[in-house]
Amino acid sequence: QSALTQPASVSGSPGQSITISCTGTSSDVGGYNYVSWYQQHPGKAPKLMIYDVSNRPSGVSNRFSGSKSGNTASLTISGLQAEDEADYYCSSYTSSSTLTVFGGGTKLTVL
Amino acid sequence: QVQLVQSGAEVKKPGSSVKVSCKASGGTFSSYAISWVRQAPGQGLEWMGGIIPIFGTANYAQKFQGRVTITADESTSTAYMELSSLRSEDTAVYYCAREGYCTGGVCYLNWFDPWGQGTLVTVSS
Repeated sequence: QSALTQPASVSGSPGQSITISCTGTSSDVGGYNYVSWYQQHPGKAPKLMIYDVSNRPSGVSNRFSGSKSGNTASLTISGLQAEDEADYYCSSYTSSSTLTVFGGGTKLTVL
Repeated sequence: QVQLVQSGAEVKKPGSSVKVSCKASGGTFSSYAISWVRQAPGQGLEWMGGIIPIFGTANYAQKFQGRVTITADESTSTAYMELSSLRSEDTAVYYCAREGYCTGGVCYLNWFDPWGQGTLVTVSS
């Protein structure tokens, strides 16, 4: 069982917006602004999409945005495109001995 | 632009050890940390540990304490992850990733970019 809880799957039609949640505790997501999000296509290495809750690395589309409220972080993808179909993982620093925890991943399907 | 290239796939017997390398290019090896993350078949991501080469200190997830050793060779810009006492559950793709950046003796961590291409380690008798 992953330390951070994500929905197993979400779906949306092209052009729509979707949000993926990532729920932790006050020891990780809620206690620090160190949440990051990764996109992973099948057979490929993960790619950083959001870091420090809401910062977008250079080269990542502004259709991707991140936020946090309490112990839950969220990734929103607007204007869904076919190439957004992938697995998405959240990650957070944690004050536990694990130091870094990931969510279980969310499969995004673009209908 | 930092690029990370990992060593090739490995097949190991239960009880043995594996050492995976991760060679960095295109950046200053001392200006960031390197972490190792694994992904079992069909499963999610799991952080194993990381090292800050300029400090030479490694941190490990409690789950892997005593079984994993992460080192870095600044002269060749290469990081290594050695996992011992292998069991079938260790079958996974192992990724290295740059973690954050260091400047002025302070490191800003907790995000991973870029990642290596991954190394499949298969543990089977």
